[in-house]
Amino acid sequence: GESVGLHLPTLSVQEGDNSIINCAYSNSASDYFIWYKQESGKGPQFIIDIRSNMDKRQGQRVTVLLNKTVKHLSLQIAATQPGDSAVYFCAETYGQNFVFGPGTRLSVLP
Amino acid sequence: DARVTQTPRHKVTEMGQEVTMRCQPILGHNTVFWYRQTMMQGLELLAYFRNRAPLDDSGMPKDRFSAEMPDATLATLKIQPSEPRDSAVYFCASGLGASGSPDTQYFGPGTRLTVL
Repeated sequence: GESVGLHLPTLSVQEGDNSIINCAYSNSASDYFIWYKQESGKGPQFIIDIRSNMDKRQGQRVTVLLNKTVKHLSLQIAATQPGDSAVYFCAETYGQNFVFGPGTRLSVLP
Repeated sequence: DARVTQTPRHKVTEMGQEVTMRCQPILGHNTVFWYRQTMMQGLELLAYFRNRAPLDDSGMPKDRFSAEMPDATLATLKIQPSEPRDSAVYFCASGLGASGSPDTQYFGPGTRLTVL
């Protein structure tokens, strides 16, 4: 599969540990945020979303935190598994604009 | 299991040739997006449609790229003439957005284009 970025920031975590992936977004008017996971050779896959009127949202093993004051978004993955290894993108939406971040590569160590 | 489909999955062509990529959005989705992904630029939005009407194609080089939705089940992205710098993975995504509402986008598997 294709590599999504030679110079992506990489986060390496031990299997079973928690992972925290961070994202700084650009527009204070953004009102909807999404995290995507992209495995090698596949398209991005929706993980979890959050609207700007919330600061936390939980899914299965994942939690998204939104700090509008500093325009920061994070994705927390509990009990990281080998299948979580992928590139993770945050995306922000404002009006009809959609902007993806550069991505973070998560590497899960055995 | 509804999903976005894209054809072809891989395309190798020579510079100057026309390339057509096709996308079938998830049935019932009214928004279709085209993205290009490269190692250097990451994911770039090229164009998107809502209810088959183009809403934004500002990310697309107009001189050689064109995007259309002949009907609700088919979106096409054409490059004519193709150039080596167009080599990338092209993703289509669809969503169920309403006017003024954000879209959660469901991506297809992509078309890997190589222009020699």
